[in-house]
Amino acid sequence: DQQVKQNSPSLSVQEGRISILNCDYTNSMFDYFLWYKKYPAEGPTFLISISSIKDKNEDGRFTVFLNKSAKHLSLHIVPSQPGDSAVYFCAASKVGRAQKLVFGQGTRLTINP
Amino acid sequence: DGGITQSPKYLFRKEGQNVTLSCEQNLNHDAMYWYRQDPGQGLRLIYYSQIVNDFQKGDIAEGYSVSREKKESFPLTVTSAQKNPTAFYLCASSMGTSSEQFFGPGTRLTVL
Repeated sequence: DQQVKQNSPSLSVQEGRISILNCDYTNSMFDYFLWYKKYPAEGPTFLISISSIKDKNEDGRFTVFLNKSAKHLSLHIVPSQPGDSAVYFCAASKVGRAQKLVFGQGTRLTINP
Repeated sequence: DGGITQSPKYLFRKEGQNVTLSCEQNLNHDAMYWYRQDPGQGLRLIYYSQIVNDFQKGDIAEGYSVSREKKESFPLTVTSAQKNPTAFYLCASSMGTSSEQFFGPGTRLTVL
């Protein structure tokens, strides 16, 4: 049972435009959500997170939106840069089980010049 | 520089052999984790440890074993009982029960 889903395996965006990566979850007990960025043959690096008490969190070019009623979160990257080309994973954790992150399958983002 | 190191980066083993993957961190983090990544899939939790001398099974622990004798080290042994061991293995650590986990560079294990 895939509790965290990223339904788009890949996304291609022109440099300078907005990239929007989506993530859906099924478990209403999840209360903390994270986005990680991963380059090939490297470990993921933490990008941004959001608690369920918020609906938006912003850090520079990166903004994460959370829609609890729809069980949906999205990552916006504005403006997109070539260095943003990578695989992006969303992850979620439950109340009291913060150490168990559940990851989505990942979305490969390609920024075209 | 603080961080997580995993060695080696690439590892080849014959089928039926046990192999141990190294993970060391100097971040003074309490918790450590092992994940496995397969092509086109997300990361799946194998084992995690919140404190020294204690660890719990993750979602796919069968065929794996771990130890946590020191705070800085969390080695993973892939045993011959693991049916499909070829994968990319990632170690991570976090402060206490913080959800923000920091990852090492990974070890790609290929079983021939």
